[in-house]
Amino acid sequence: QVQLVQSGAEVKKPGASVKVSCKASGYTFTSYGISWVRQAPGQGLEWMGWISAYNGNTNYAQKLQGRVTMTTDTSTSTAYMELRSLRSDDTAVYYCARDIIPGVVAPNWFDPWGQGTLVTVSS
Amino acid sequence: SSELTQDPAVSVALGQTVRITCQGDSLRSYYASWYQQKPGQAPVLVIYGKNNRPSGIPDRFSGSSSGNTASLTITGAQAEDEADYYCNSRDSSGNHLYVFGTGTKVTVL
Repeated sequence: QVQLVQSGAEVKKPGASVKVSCKASGYTFTSYGISWVRQAPGQGLEWMGWISAYNGNTNYAQKLQGRVTMTTDTSTSTAYMELRSLRSDDTAVYYCARDIIPGVVAPNWFDPWGQGTLVTVSS
Repeated sequence: SSELTQDPAVSVALGQTVRITCQGDSLRSYYASWYQQKPGQAPVLVIYGKNNRPSGIPDRFSGSSSGNTASLTITGAQAEDEADYYCNSRDSSGNHLYVFGTGTKVTVL
């Protein structure tokens, strides 16, 4: 079955960077895009951006432009999200989610989701 | 700030029907999708496109849209439907950027 398995929890100091991984299985990795979504404690969902696993094209949310980089490694069917210059308000659970429709050049709808990775930013 | 607005909370009696709404300018042009999230769990897609349900989603979930408002209807709500629900759609910039709604907590009485 289609599955996305994310890396474990991280604790970072303000100003540091974090890189979260999302390993896919059960489908042809390069046929679907992957979005990243985060959720601060007790808050709603925030779409961070999307990457095409086919050609590496990306779309990033405007508020994160310049701080976030999304990449893929097709040899291991893994997507990565790196966030730099971390602040306390970046503390959140970070999710990866696969597009439900394959073969398109932009994000569509997100299913399934990874289990989430808690990133805590604290001095 | 979010461009998609939802009521913070609604309640429904067991077996009755509840409608959750999502308002935003981009909904005049793009379909909303809907996600269910239970405490401590990842979100789950329940409706996408015009009114499509992923495999495994019960047919008591349905979606509709009119003007700048998208709706998720649960017909015959069950105890297991108690959760947070988020709408999602492209933003109003015209680029391939997405935004989530503010979320609605559904309580089944």
